Amino acid sequence: DQQVKQNSPSLSVQEGRISILNCDYTNSMFDYFLWYKKYPAEGPTFLISISSIKDKNEDGRFTVFLNKSAKHLSLHIVPSQPGDSAVYFCAALRGSQGNLIFGKGTKLSVKP
Amino acid sequence: ETGVTQSPTHLIKTRGQQVTLRCSSQSGHNTVSWYQQALGQGPQFIFQYYREEENGRGNFPPRFSGLQFPNYSSELNVNALELDDSALYLCASSPTGVGGETQYFGPGTRLLVL
Repeated sequence: DQQVKQNSPSLSVQEGRISILNCDYTNSMFDYFLWYKKYPAEGPTFLISISSIKDKNEDGRFTVFLNKSAKHLSLHIVPSQPGDSAVYFCAALRGSQGNLIFGKGTKLSVKP
Repeated sequence: ETGVTQSPTHLIKTRGQQVTLRCSSQSGHNTVSWYQQALGQGPQFIFQYYREEENGRGNFPPRFSGLQFPNYSSELNVNALELDDSALYLCASSPTGVGGETQYFGPGTRLLVL
């Protein structure tokens, strides 16, 4: 029973274009959602988060949108760069501290 | 401010053996969590420690145990290793209070059980 789902295992985008990574969740009690980026042989690196009371959070080229009625969030990367090529994990959290529940990840490839 | 470090980076064990993995959290981070990431999966929560006490546990058997020390270091111990324990083991630390929802991960220890 997956509470956080990333239904696209991979995504390929041209450099300079927008990358949109999607995530769905089933538990309406989640308070925070986080995106992590992971390169091979490294641990996940925190990218951006959003509280459940907001619908958008922006940090430079990265924007996360939250649609609570649809239980859906998305990460937009504009413009995409080859260095953004990595696996992106969506994660959810109940309360301010606890266990993160991760999706299976989406592998993003940005082609020059 | 130093990041989260883990040791060793790689480890090979045989079925039935015991293993200890180590993590050094960021200074000032009182909470440490351990995750198991199997191939092709997202990280799965094993347990969390807050100020040296277990503060939550995922769906893992008791042969997975942990310790947290006052100097921001922690251990994950796994007894009676099974083939399915082969995975990347990640620790993550987080501060108490504001920003506590963000967990900062170490590079992981890759364990292979033969």
